[in-house]
Amino acid sequence: SQQGEEDPQALSIQEGENATMNCSYKTSINNLQWYRQNSGRGLVHLILIRSNEREKHSGRLRVTLDTSKKSSSLLITASRAADTASYFCATDAWGAQKLVFGQGTRLTINP
Amino acid sequence: DGGITQSPKYLFRKEGQNVTLSCEQNLNHDAMYWYRQDPGQGLRLIYYSQIVNDFQKGDIAEGYSVSREKKESFPLTVTSAQKNPTAFYLCASTLGAGMDQPQHFGDGTRLSIL
Repeated sequence: SQQGEEDPQALSIQEGENATMNCSYKTSINNLQWYRQNSGRGLVHLILIRSNEREKHSGRLRVTLDTSKKSSSLLITASRAADTASYFCATDAWGAQKLVFGQGTRLTINP
Repeated sequence: DGGITQSPKYLFRKEGQNVTLSCEQNLNHDAMYWYRQDPGQGLRLIYYSQIVNDFQKGDIAEGYSVSREKKESFPLTVTSAQKNPTAFYLCASTLGAGMDQPQHFGDGTRLSIL
């Protein structure tokens, strides 16, 4: 079963607006990562947040983690057309030697 | 520039044929991974290797085989036993074997059935 589930599955906003994507997971984790995938390309790592962290920033990205709710959110501020992509969360469950990816959120930024 | 190179970008398989997807990295990473991605879906782990001459099955290893004879290379063979091979295949690597490291991905191989 999927460890991470993103919500919404698809999101369409106007350029300049903020985009928020959510990820929920089922079991305790050590870390949670967010990746971006442009159409037909490989994934690009965006940010890693550890289970003892609550918030991390990287440029226009802000990630939060709530381990009590087993959820994370990715906020992209002041969106640009180049942010159009699919965004995936990935978790490493305790004891597992692998990352488990969610199904992703398809983000479209309209000019 | 350091990175991961997957080839070919597109591949077609005939009935009963084995095909091999190439993955080469010059990042000096120890661990390498193969994932399968179906349309609108996340990634599913096929095989991974944490060190040369060793590899482990992932969640969907049936119908696939791998080798890790060199640190830089981790080819994936899609055998005729894999009845539904049409998918986008992604190779990734990490510096070490820990799951607290970002994975670096190639740009994938899209495999289709003739």
